Amino acid sequence: DIQMTQSPSTLSASVGERVTITCRASQSVNNWLAWYQQKPGEAPKLLIYKASSLESGVPSRFSGSGSGTYFTLTISGLQPEDFATYYCQQYQSYCSFGQGTKLEIK
Amino acid sequence: EAQLVEESGGGVVRPGGSLRLSCAASGFPFKDYGMTWVRQVPGKGLEWVSGINWNGGETGYADSVKGRFTISRDNAKKSLYLQMSSLRVEDTALYFCARGGGTNLGDYVDAFDIWGQGAAVIVSS
Repeated sequence: DIQMTQSPSTLSASVGERVTITCRASQSVNNWLAWYQQKPGEAPKLLIYKASSLESGVPSRFSGSGSGTYFTLTISGLQPEDFATYYCQQYQSYCSFGQGTKLEIK
Repeated sequence: EAQLVEESGGGVVRPGGSLRLSCAASGFPFKDYGMTWVRQVPGKGLEWVSGINWNGGETGYADSVKGRFTISRDNAKKSLYLQMSSLRVEDTALYFCARGGGTNLGDYVDAFDIWGQGAAVIVSS
């Protein structure tokens, strides 16, 4: 099984800041990596697929990069609606999620 | 608008019991897409549970549910199902159905672009 590890677990930031969340895979997932945003009481929302492709309708301040075992999600210019929990997911071999990163308002 | 609705099946069941979840699709050609179930313990992270390809010919399960849960679909009814048996306390969670996003069209091993609202399953004596 492929294990996904996100860091940090919690991130405090202010509106307007640029933040980066990292995701590491226990073995190569090539670029089969997605990022999701989840707000309390809601289903997850797909932001990025194939490591760097922006899902339709997602603001361009979200970007993804990486390949193999190391990936990042960057939010440039945080907006109030961006404070949420973020998950990475690999789909190289079955599917597995990272443990999540909670983005809090500083 | 593409939509998934967990129509029925959530509820309270005793350990060892059974429950069947249903998920109805609308607004997209259901028969063309792989589908999956993901669960989440309240306050915790996401766990992939099971997936099924477009025609039901391929399925996959997490080790934690293998042999106890069965995924199926009825393309004519545009519906996805999860039959859960031998339920354990640790199966208590919110269960989401989700659509394979089309990177690997028809496959369930994919990113998930459409999600249902979730069905609550509580296993308790």
